[in-house]
Amino acid sequence: DAGVTQSPTHLIKTRGQQVTLRCSPKSGHDTVSWYQQALGQGPQFIFQYYEEEERQRGNFPDRFSGHQFPNYSSELNVNALLLGDSALYLCASSLGPTDTQYFGPGTRLTVL
Amino acid sequence: QQQVKQSPQSLIVQKGGISIINCAYENTAFDYFPWYQQFPGKGPALLIAIRPDVSEKKEGRFTISFNKSAKQFSLHIMDSQPGDSATYFCAATHTGGFKTIFGAGTRLFVKA
Repeated sequence: DAGVTQSPTHLIKTRGQQVTLRCSPKSGHDTVSWYQQALGQGPQFIFQYYEEEERQRGNFPDRFSGHQFPNYSSELNVNALLLGDSALYLCASSLGPTDTQYFGPGTRLTVL
Repeated sequence: QQQVKQSPQSLIVQKGGISIINCAYENTAFDYFPWYQQFPGKGPALLIAIRPDVSEKKEGRFTISFNKSAKQFSLHIMDSQPGDSATYFCAATHTGGFKTIFGAGTRLFVKA
């Protein structure tokens, strides 16, 4: 049974560029949440997708956007990258919006 | 009101000792409290979780103690082992709100 998978593993971008991160949920899960984890800090909620819609959003600017596909996989897009966007981006999946979340290994984004 | 405060920031314990990590919350709407374990370069993995209708939950060497009136909960790791060395995050969520709020994390080091 495959767990949550994310791609790519690492990514290096420069300021002002755009990036797309991808997530495949655990088998049987239909909900995907995205988190940003800065070095030495706890994960911060970005948003959650369920039934291909954004259900709730954390305190992140509109530069952060996402999408969920009919197969429940999801993308996180970040436009106009800033140095402060450098972080580990985590995807978590669950069976329904309120069930226990299982995390993927994350994508390490470095903005130069 | 959305914060979850976690302490200590770091913890060193002898092999075989008890590791104790504490968390406090303010939002009484929270009704699910998971603990996650994270190793370097990996995503958080669910360790154990509790709902406020019980005061204690034990799974193997891991125990959550929950004090609803004080709005505090703690993780006890009995017979701590070097393999337990990791960062531990407490978290809180409420089923109507979808998002999970994480504490800042505790870096545990178990000395052999």
